[in-house]
Amino acid sequence: SQQGEEDPQALSIQEGENATMNCSYKTSINNLQWYRQNSGRGLVHLILIRSNEREKHSGRLRVTLDTSKKSSSLLITASRAADTASYFCATDSVTAGNMLTFGGGTRLMVKP
Amino acid sequence: DTAVSQTPKYLVTQMGNDKSIKCEQNLGHDTMYWYKQDSKKFLKIMFSYNNKELIINETVPNRFSPKSPDKAHLNLHINSLELGDSAVYFCASRGSHSGNTIYFGEGSWLTVV
Repeated sequence: SQQGEEDPQALSIQEGENATMNCSYKTSINNLQWYRQNSGRGLVHLILIRSNEREKHSGRLRVTLDTSKKSSSLLITASRAADTASYFCATDSVTAGNMLTFGGGTRLMVKP
Repeated sequence: DTAVSQTPKYLVTQMGNDKSIKCEQNLGHDTMYWYKQDSKKFLKIMFSYNNKELIINETVPNRFSPKSPDKAHLNLHINSLELGDSAVYFCASRGSHSGNTIYFGEGSWLTVV
């Protein structure tokens, strides 16, 4: 199964609402990253949180990490229609060498 | 200028054919990757290539082979294509000066008929 698993698989909200996506993983990590993928495009890095950090902010993004529960969440505040995309968490684990392992993604739709 | 570029963007081919997807990065990165994204959007690492060290995901069939003529290029060769190979293939790169961020290409849509 995927190292990172996102929840929910799909999320539909109205513009202006907040969107929360969760990610769970199995092994010890060096860091956890969130990426965004617009339809038909490649993935774009959003934010990285290290294993010794608990929370990180970047603009309207807020990421938390709970290493005891092996989980992370991505919060997008005041969502916009342009935030419509798939969001993936990726783990940079101790045992995976130089490779990031991605989850299945959350497909977010923000309705105008 | 595109940082990670891959060609072709779309490829439709028949079963049994051999095809290649090219990838180039102009970021000066040391490590390059190939990922496969299936119809359910799952991204699976296929290969990691760093300073002539190749790390292969053991689940990848040996019909798939990466070729790196130099540090800026990592091409993907696929022999005897099968229907199940239809997917989007992403090239990516990572450098020591970019921290742990991976930069992705725009993807190559492969359809095997």
